Amino acid sequence: AQKITQTQPGMFVQEKEAVTLDCTYDTSDPSYGLFWYKQPSSGEMIFLIYQGSYDQQNATEGRYSLNFQKARKSANLVISASQLGDSAMYFCAMREGPGNSGYALNFGKGTSLLVTP
Amino acid sequence: DTAVSQTPKYLVTQMGNDKSIKCEQNLGHDTMYWYKQDSKKFLKIMFSYNNKELIINETVPNRFSPKSPDKAHLNLHINSLELGDSAVYFCASSQRQGASGYTFGSGTRLTVV
Repeated sequence: AQKITQTQPGMFVQEKEAVTLDCTYDTSDPSYGLFWYKQPSSGEMIFLIYQGSYDQQNATEGRYSLNFQKARKSANLVISASQLGDSAMYFCAMREGPGNSGYALNFGKGTSLLVTP
Repeated sequence: DTAVSQTPKYLVTQMGNDKSIKCEQNLGHDTMYWYKQDSKKFLKIMFSYNNKELIINETVPNRFSPKSPDKAHLNLHINSLELGDSAVYFCASSQRQGASGYTFGSGTRLTVV
């Protein structure tokens, strides 16, 4: 079963607007971590933000914030003031562990974000 | 200085060949991974390697084998390459539970013809 679900295959947002990328997860492990990565067209995986399951406050990193709703098992990424350079594929990922895959990340299928002028 | 480096960046080879992809990390991390990204961009864990403990994703064919000469290196060897092996392969590393983040290499695009 898919552990990370990203329901938006593609999203458009206008420059300078905020955008929310959805992510829901499924785990019975009380200790887990949630991550967001950006993959631009050049292909590299860029770490954006991390939220631990026991963290009381939502994580923020510059223009990125993670809307963590533990009871709903959602970890949406909010990008404020979108820039053209934000156009990329965005992946939500979860670390449980150690389980059957060590501490490996399980990824969602990704959301392709296009920022328009 | 690159944190996680993979070589080669591109690899084109014929079906049936054997090839290796090298990965090195200079972050002092104790766990390394190999991921496969398919044509639909889905990233799937292949191997997790920590202090000589290898955890294999059961769906990975045994033609794929990771080899770790030391804690900073995790190479991927592929035997008898098939067309379906064409993908981008990413190496990554983390410090155990990864709270400080997982660092990825730049990827190796493998094309089997």
